[in-house]
Amino acid sequence: GESVGLHLPTLSVQEGDNSIINCAYSNSASDYFIWYKQESGKGPQFIIDIRSNMDKRQGQRVTVLLNKTVKHLSLQIAATQPGDSAVYFCAERGDSWGKLQFGAGTQVVVTP
Amino acid sequence: NAGVTQTPKFQVLKTGQSMTLQCAQDMNHNSMYWYRQDPGMGLRLIYYSASEGTTDKGEVPNGYNVSRLNKREFSLRLESAAPSQTSVYFCASSASGTNTEAFFGQGTRLTVV
Repeated sequence: GESVGLHLPTLSVQEGDNSIINCAYSNSASDYFIWYKQESGKGPQFIIDIRSNMDKRQGQRVTVLLNKTVKHLSLQIAATQPGDSAVYFCAERGDSWGKLQFGAGTQVVVTP
Repeated sequence: NAGVTQTPKFQVLKTGQSMTLQCAQDMNHNSMYWYRQDPGMGLRLIYYSASEGTTDKGEVPNGYNVSRLNKREFSLRLESAAPSQTSVYFCASSASGTNTEAFFGQGTRLTVV
């Protein structure tokens, strides 16, 4: 069936560098996408979202890019910090009232 | 403002035992969800409730039942626990509409032995 997936299971980043986390989706009906951050032992925490009528959205140190042509979503984290170490999930919403479908997640490890 | 509160945080069950996971939200959200998360995997939807009085199956509903007790509370019941139900369970809620984020609780770590 249709699914949301991630390209890389683990991403090692040096502190201060930029991180890029990728996500592929296959449900062309999805019109809203969210990136969540999950720290160990905690529930997912909202980072940033984007609607399908947008290509790019920026937050504080984070940018989400959406390429509908190739069904690809990415999260860019600028100047990665140790506190950014976590699992990052992309999620898509494709129905009228909003249940989320999650990808498998990418573990980001920030090294000094 | 507590957000989404789940109880208990940890639970160990024997195979065949039953239990109910409790979830409450104080954000006046219409929609509530139960997800499970297995090691190295994303969250999979078990059941959801679009509004008070309605519930629907998600991706992995077998072995579970739910009750939307009122607008605030959405419980998940395991009638006869199995080792395959060992997982971390997350409750979430969201306002109505497609462009709204879901807020998650801290999770319940369940082990079935």
